[in-house]
Amino acid sequence: AQTVTQSQPEMSVQEAETVTLSCTYDTSESDYYLFWYKQPPSRQMILVIRQEAYKQQNATENRFSVNFQKAAKSFSLKISDSQLGDAAMYFCAYRSGVYNFNKFYFGSGTKLNVKP
Amino acid sequence: AAGVIQSPRHLIKEKRETATLKCYPIPRHDTVYWYQQGPGQDPQFLISFYEKMQSDKGSIPDRFSAQQFSDYHSELNMSSLELGDSALYFCASSPDGTSENNEQFFGPGTRLTVL
Repeated sequence: AQTVTQSQPEMSVQEAETVTLSCTYDTSESDYYLFWYKQPPSRQMILVIRQEAYKQQNATENRFSVNFQKAAKSFSLKISDSQLGDAAMYFCAYRSGVYNFNKFYFGSGTKLNVKP
Repeated sequence: AAGVIQSPRHLIKEKRETATLKCYPIPRHDTVYWYQQGPGQDPQFLISFYEKMQSDKGSIPDRFSAQQFSDYHSELNMSSLELGDSALYFCASSPDGTSENNEQFFGPGTRLTVL
């Protein structure tokens, strides 16, 4: 089975600074998708960014970017110019690409605090 | 844009009671997933349906059952509730399996409290 590991239970960043959240995963598959979801206090799961394993180029979405290292099975999230609204729980998730309706495997999450 | 709808949003039950959670996927999404998120934990996959058939099954207790109906909405039935069933239950939907879009769209969740 696939496993997703987030080794940082909690992190803090000063407003306007940059922070990187780590995620590693274990799989024997070559076709898969990786995601970062944000869960604010409302508990709604919000997609932050998505990376297809077959794409070498790292995904970016405005202030959010990833560092995808396929050989190392690493998928870190970089948040630039951190804002107070970025404070939330962040979950890394893995989904097999073999079947399109495959379930997500989530990491244990990283709580991000943003200091004004 | 339409989102995944879950009802009820909050539910309080006593031990050994029964609960039914409902999920209405985004229109034209034919795949539904159920996840359970305990306090301070990551979401754990329970079960999924594709075109009204069970497509995958995770760590779902035998006390729980689920189905997807002809209009693609899904219901999660939970019987003989235990204190440990208290959690946030997410439903997610995704579009047709032939789509390039492999994102799952999450509903707001149903918070179940078992007393």
